Amino acid sequence: QSVLTQPPSASGTPGQRVTISCSGSSSNIGSNNVNWYQQLPGTAPKLLIYRNNQRPSGVPDRFSGSKSGTSASLAISGLQSEDEADYCCAAWDDSLNGFVFGTGTKVTVL
Amino acid sequence: QVQLQESGPGLVKPSETLSLTCTVTGYSISSGYNWGWIRQSPGKGLEWIASVHHSGSTHYNPSLKSRVTISIDTSKNQFSLKLTSVTAADTAMYYCARYGYTFDIWGQGTMVTVSS
Repeated sequence: QSVLTQPPSASGTPGQRVTISCSGSSSNIGSNNVNWYQQLPGTAPKLLIYRNNQRPSGVPDRFSGSKSGTSASLAISGLQSEDEADYCCAAWDDSLNGFVFGTGTKVTVL
Repeated sequence: QVQLQESGPGLVKPSETLSLTCTVTGYSISSGYNWGWIRQSPGKGLEWIASVHHSGSTHYNPSLKSRVTISIDTSKNQFSLKLTSVTAADTAMYYCARYGYTFDIWGQGTMVTVSS
């Protein structure tokens, strides 16, 4: 039921920059803030980016978010082995009057 | 430090009602915020189920609305989820979380399996 579309996978070697896209519509990303979550294997999601590009306390500045129109991106600079996880975008949807999550992207560190 | 902890049966029979409770510590839920439930089916993505404001007002995922009830008990600092007429498709990890500008604090999750 995800209305936000992400690539299923992304990968990079240690130190590289990886970018994950999140495509939505005018009723969600186009008119509301985008958030990003990191989910390590077997754990609950952790808030990584909020309000498009803000990092909660404790999140390394290697993680950055951006938004343009009805799409958003998460960038991981200086990729590290501990970044291997699932990443998911999310936003409020005005048409559904509810919160929607992306399809999720699994990041592999080669 | 705000913490959330889900509790409830790990196994529910088909057609029965799934009931879960989220206990909040480190914060009085009557003071503010919305509180919500999210689930994740095995190998699948996250799905928002419902949210409740500290005042008691509610929001439901339209796809689940006919089967879901979310409620809040400020005296116990808890909020709860009921999902009726469950099927195998409701088998999932269920998370409770705090919603301010987004879901920022999550519980560890509780696995619920629907099976006879």
